[in-house]
Amino acid sequence: AQSVTQLGSHVSVSEGALVLLRCNYSSSVPPYLFWYVQYPNQGLQLLLKYTTGATLVKGINGFEAEFKKSETSFHLTKPSAHMSDAAEYFCAVTPRGSQGNLIFGKGTKLSVKP
Amino acid sequence: GAGVSQSPSNKVTEKGKDVELRCDPISGHTALYWYRQRLGQGLEFLIYFQGNSAPDKSGLPSDRFSAERTGESVSTLTIQRTQQEDSAVYLCASSDFPGTVNEKLFFGSGTQLSVL
Repeated sequence: AQSVTQLGSHVSVSEGALVLLRCNYSSSVPPYLFWYVQYPNQGLQLLLKYTTGATLVKGINGFEAEFKKSETSFHLTKPSAHMSDAAEYFCAVTPRGSQGNLIFGKGTKLSVKP
Repeated sequence: GAGVSQSPSNKVTEKGKDVELRCDPISGHTALYWYRQRLGQGLEFLIYFQGNSAPDKSGLPSDRFSAERTGESVSTLTIQRTQQEDSAVYLCASSDFPGTVNEKLFFGSGTQLSVL
């Protein structure tokens, strides 16, 4: 069985500061891992995903995430926050082979202060 | 259209009534998913359609929930005898290259269902 834990339902950072959104997962089989973003009044969009290969994954808008098997983590980072990054971020996991049963975390709402 | 379209965007209904939610996927996408997002919760998988295969209904919470899809087009999610705990945002997603590393889900903006 798979599960996802996102630490912190709300994270607030200043513009230009580091963004760190935490995600830990549990999976009985090697997982695919995802970060989705939901901007206000929009549908979820894929930010990035890890399937196989390089454990540091780069996504859109300067975000990246690193798969750490030993820590069962897939934290999302961005070196310098921008006002437009304010959104809700969801981490998700699925067993390799299909996105059909994506298991989502509860989401982390990111606020960016000027 | 350019993206996944869901209607209505908001639905308020009385307890015990039936509701029907609609999803228009991206043209050409063979896979279609329904998720539910309750307030303060993550997305909960409901049902998955892939081409002409039998749908994966493993996430439907009760027999009051059902969904249909005609071919690779529109899907409708029906909730019979709605209960207050059905209140949530219902999200639809479609994807290309299902079941492969290249699969990517595209989500609609959701239907906010409120059961009074």
